[in-house]
Amino acid sequence: DADVTQTPRNRITKTGKRIMLECSQTKGHDRMYWYRQDPGLGLRLIYYSFDVKDINKGEISDGYSVSRQAQAKFSLSLESAIPNQTALYFCATSPLPGTASTDTQYFGPGTRLTVL
Amino acid sequence: QQQVKQSPQSLIVQKGGISIINCAYENTAFDYFPWYQQFPGKGPALLIAIRPDVSEKKEGRFTISFNKSAKQFSLHIMDSQPGDSATYFCAASRSGSARQLTFGSGTQLTVLP
Repeated sequence: DADVTQTPRNRITKTGKRIMLECSQTKGHDRMYWYRQDPGLGLRLIYYSFDVKDINKGEISDGYSVSRQAQAKFSLSLESAIPNQTALYFCATSPLPGTASTDTQYFGPGTRLTVL
Repeated sequence: QQQVKQSPQSLIVQKGGISIINCAYENTAFDYFPWYQQFPGKGPALLIAIRPDVSEKKEGRFTISFNKSAKQFSLHIMDSQPGDSATYFCAASRSGSARQLTFGSGTQLTVLP
């Protein structure tokens, strides 16, 4: 969905490096999420944000940090990458409660991250 | 702790057949059960969703069956087509949890022509 974009789409990095994954959206949604997808584990929530001033930890936040620079931008950082952070990372957005499709999350195309 | 268990991990179906994917959940507070469809190289996209006040929801060839007492729900794809080949994820969430989705482990569906 072109309304949610992620950069880069692919990234190879080395253990110990700091890396940032970026997400931008033009859907006008307030809620944004970061997930990681691993084979056989589905998608797991890393962090989520309801607005620029609101950041919340998800199920697997250790080793990650986020920044909500604007309503439309939500970045995920790996402070010191390790091999078991090799995964597919997805950003998602959803509208506020009380709006249509409030429970639907709209996903970006993903970033494939490899940590050597 | 996996709160939503999905099976099978992979499924191969002939064109025109019925594909069935099952999910079971543990948290009785869950009140929203979506299915997401993911094609290779793409992010997941909402396919169909159900709330526990109904036992079945149908949209075209896709049907969710929901059994509240058994804490199970399933996706049925009728007249499966090669274009349905994708990974399917069930998920669940509850009111007041910021609608955090708990996903199943995924099912890779292959529909043979």
